[in-house]
Amino acid sequence: AQSVTQPDIHITVSEGASLELRCNYSYGATPYLFWYVQSPGQGLQLLLKYFSGDTLVQGIKGFEAEFKRSQSSFNLRKPSVHWSDAAEYFCAVGDPTGTASKLTFGTGTRLQVTL
Amino acid sequence: DVKVTQSSRYLVKRTGEKVFLECVQDMDHENMFWYRQDPGLGLRLIYFSYDVKMKEKGDIPEGYSVSREKKERFSLILESASTNQTSMYLCASTPSPAGGKQPQHFGDGTRLSIL
Repeated sequence: AQSVTQPDIHITVSEGASLELRCNYSYGATPYLFWYVQSPGQGLQLLLKYFSGDTLVQGIKGFEAEFKRSQSSFNLRKPSVHWSDAAEYFCAVGDPTGTASKLTFGTGTRLQVTL
Repeated sequence: DVKVTQSSRYLVKRTGEKVFLECVQDMDHENMFWYRQDPGLGLRLIYFSYDVKMKEKGDIPEGYSVSREKKERFSLILESASTNQTSMYLCASTPSPAGGKQPQHFGDGTRLSIL
């Protein structure tokens, strides 16, 4: 079964600083990978996704993520963080088998942005 | 835009009550999901459905059941609510085809408290 690890529970960065959120996955084949963001009191919103091809994918709100097969990682990055980016971020891996588009989520990283 | 609507944002119930959480999507999606979200545990899949009247257990189905009588509506049922079911509940949907590529669209969640 696939699994996802987000090693950082909580990260604090200053506004304008760069950001990298880590995600490691365990899966036997080429995974489908996603990053979601959850603002307080809201559901999850898709930031970006990776299926195949170019290993650097661009998402919404200026986020990007890089797939590294050798490291089993899919880290999320942003060059300059804005205060509105404060939220919880979830990495997820898709299950290409089965009857529905099941996802396995990591435990999340809470981002705090200081002014 | 896909709209996934959960009937209640906040709900307070008593131990032993039968509780219904409702979810409706407006995009004719085949697949629907119920998760619970707890701090430090991320999202855990309770049940999912890939067609009307079809359902499969997720990772933590104990104490829950589901109903899908119409394509657009997926209900989560707590047969006899207990305090350990106090949590945030999230509903999601995806279109077919399956295969893990479809990002899930989430509702805003229902925060359920069992007293």
